[in-house]
Amino acid sequence: SALTQPASVSGSPGQSITISCTGTSSDIGSFNLVSWYQQRPGEAPRLILYEVNKRPSGVSGRFSGFRSGSTASLTISGLQAEDEADYYCCSYSPTTTVDFGGGTKLTVL
Amino acid sequence: EIQLLESGGGLVQPGGSLTLSCAVSGLSFSNYAMSWVRQAPGKGLEWVSGVSGSGGSTYHADSVKGRFSISRANSKNTLYLQMKSLRVEDTALYYCAKDIAEVVAAVGFEIWGQGILVTVSS
Repeated sequence: SALTQPASVSGSPGQSITISCTGTSSDIGSFNLVSWYQQRPGEAPRLILYEVNKRPSGVSGRFSGFRSGSTASLTISGLQAEDEADYYCCSYSPTTTVDFGGGTKLTVL
Repeated sequence: EIQLLESGGGLVQPGGSLTLSCAVSGLSFSNYAMSWVRQAPGKGLEWVSGVSGSGGSTYHADSVKGRFSISRANSKNTLYLQMKSLRVEDTALYYCAKDIAEVVAAVGFEIWGQGILVTVSS
């Protein structure tokens, strides 16, 4: 994948976790067009953040985003069992148009 | 309620062709870019193709360029993906997705269909 994410992260209920997404100076480093998706088993992906840190209507305030240089990050605070899912970052790229990260499996212990 | 309903998937032999459709309801279809995103069994998401709201601009991933063609019929609120010269590695669940913006810029795929399975096998 053009964007690099950790394969897995884990945390206990109530804790906070952060998932990183590393791109290049040409994609994440140049545009605020980073989005994050949650995908539970057997379901379609769900948009949880767009333009780095904007939440669609209905998405919990426990989800937040940040960008620094060529790396974006998703933080989930107050971890809940229902947060267990795969998470994907996505970025605009002027060369490939749209890139997804390889995905991160979040386990709630 | 906004709904995206994919159809047209199935089993096809390598080298064959298939056309996917995505019927959209509940929104002003021509105001938004649309994309196809696929997911191979047990794998991650891969963006395939995108089209602007007007249909005037189309984009394809390198892996499908020259073989797949995205289009839309705004009068019918329908998105299409014409797939030719299919390969085993094209086997995946194909999702249509509505973007937040009119242009294809990965602003945010805010609405997704349930996906349609394409299997390429002899």
